Amino acid sequence: GAVVSQHPSRVICKSGTSVKIECRSLDFQATTMFWYRQFPKQSLMLMATSNEGSKATYEQGVEKDKFLINHASLTLSTLTVTSAHPEDSSFYICSARGDLGETQYFGPGTRLLVL
Amino acid sequence: QQQVKQSPQSLIVQKGGISIINCAYENTAFDYFPWYQQFPGKGPALLIAIRPDVSEKKEGRFTISFNKSAKQFSLHIMDSQPGDSATYFCAASNEAAGNKLTFGGGTRVLVKP
Repeated sequence: GAVVSQHPSRVICKSGTSVKIECRSLDFQATTMFWYRQFPKQSLMLMATSNEGSKATYEQGVEKDKFLINHASLTLSTLTVTSAHPEDSSFYICSARGDLGETQYFGPGTRLLVL
Repeated sequence: QQQVKQSPQSLIVQKGGISIINCAYENTAFDYFPWYQQFPGKGPALLIAIRPDVSEKKEGRFTISFNKSAKQFSLHIMDSQPGDSATYFCAASNEAAGNKLTFGGGTRVLVKP
């Protein structure tokens, strides 16, 4: 149990375009989903927290207009990187937490490369 | 401000040996301490977690030791295997702050056959 999926697993896009990443909890209802960014050989950095049906809470330094987060249902959250630039190239990982317990279950990640 | 400091950054251990990774935290409000294992190109997977009301937790070959007064906790991997070669992250969270995880910097473990 506690499986989280992400789609796509990797994406290459041109500078200036927008990219949407989906995060789904497959076998539980995720009241809270988190979005992280991880650069090579570095730790995970929390970008934002989203609760179903409400606006996401962004960490300091993360542009909310650039990284649009939608958590429309208890099993789906999306991250849209708008007007992507090469410096946005990174590994984006989501996690999900149910309403019981504090454990976060992570998705497999999405590798974004902006040319 | 790095609230969770992890050491060492990398570790090489022989097959069958013990891998030990240490973490120290600053925020005394943290009340949940998980360890995650991450393979290249994959998302982190929860290994084992502990709460501050216990000093040790063991699951198979993985043991967490927790020292509340010192604000330190460590992961011991017994009988290390080549398949354990991965990056390990400690983390900490606080329920009152929404269970947001603060990660340590990670330790790359290489188990040599």
